[in-house]
Amino acid sequence: AQSVSQHNHHVILSEAASLELGCNYSYGGTVNLFWYVQYPGQHLQLLLKYFSGDPLVKGIKGFEAEFIKSKFSFNLRKPSVQWSDTAEYFCAVIPMDSSYKLIFGSGTRLLVRP
Amino acid sequence: DAGITQSPRYKITETGRQVTLMCHQTWSHSYMFWYRQDLGHGLRLIYYSAAADITDKGEVPDGYVVSRSKTENFPLTLESATRSQTSVYFCASSEYVGVMNEQFFGPGTRLTVL
Repeated sequence: AQSVSQHNHHVILSEAASLELGCNYSYGGTVNLFWYVQYPGQHLQLLLKYFSGDPLVKGIKGFEAEFIKSKFSFNLRKPSVQWSDTAEYFCAVIPMDSSYKLIFGSGTRLLVRP
Repeated sequence: DAGITQSPRYKITETGRQVTLMCHQTWSHSYMFWYRQDLGHGLRLIYYSAAADITDKGEVPDGYVVSRSKTENFPLTLESATRSQTSVYFCASSEYVGVMNEQFFGPGTRLTVL
């Protein structure tokens, strides 16, 4: 079955530390890739997305993600986190043979200590 | 600029009762979706709709019913609520599906079944 894996369920960092959250998917064909963020008590917001072209995607708030097709990965990065980045982060994939079905990973809870 | 709204935002009910969660979008998006969010599972698709009067099951449809008589509304009904349906429910919409699809999420409804 198609799946999305986020290996880090909980991450705790100090402010100014660098962040990398892993995301791997199990589909071999063409995919659209997304990272969503959910701040405490709020709804999901799109951080960034990859459809095609440059595999290094830049999103809002200084986040970026790199699509590595050979590794089936789409890891999220930020060079210097802030306390306000405390949130839950979800990787999601749309396989192109199931174009409406967003498949979500289980999420990573990030706590940034001031 | 209302976007996508959900009501109620919080609901407590008892086992066996019928509950309806409302979702309304102002963009005239064709596609609408219902997800549930549970710890360790990320978001899972319950039902989706491609247009008015067209609905179909997602990954976890059992115990839920949907309807879509108008493009802008997509209510989700729990006909006889069970404790396992305690969750946070998110509605989403998208203009179309396929390449470069993006879904927009509502604020969520936190449902507790006692």
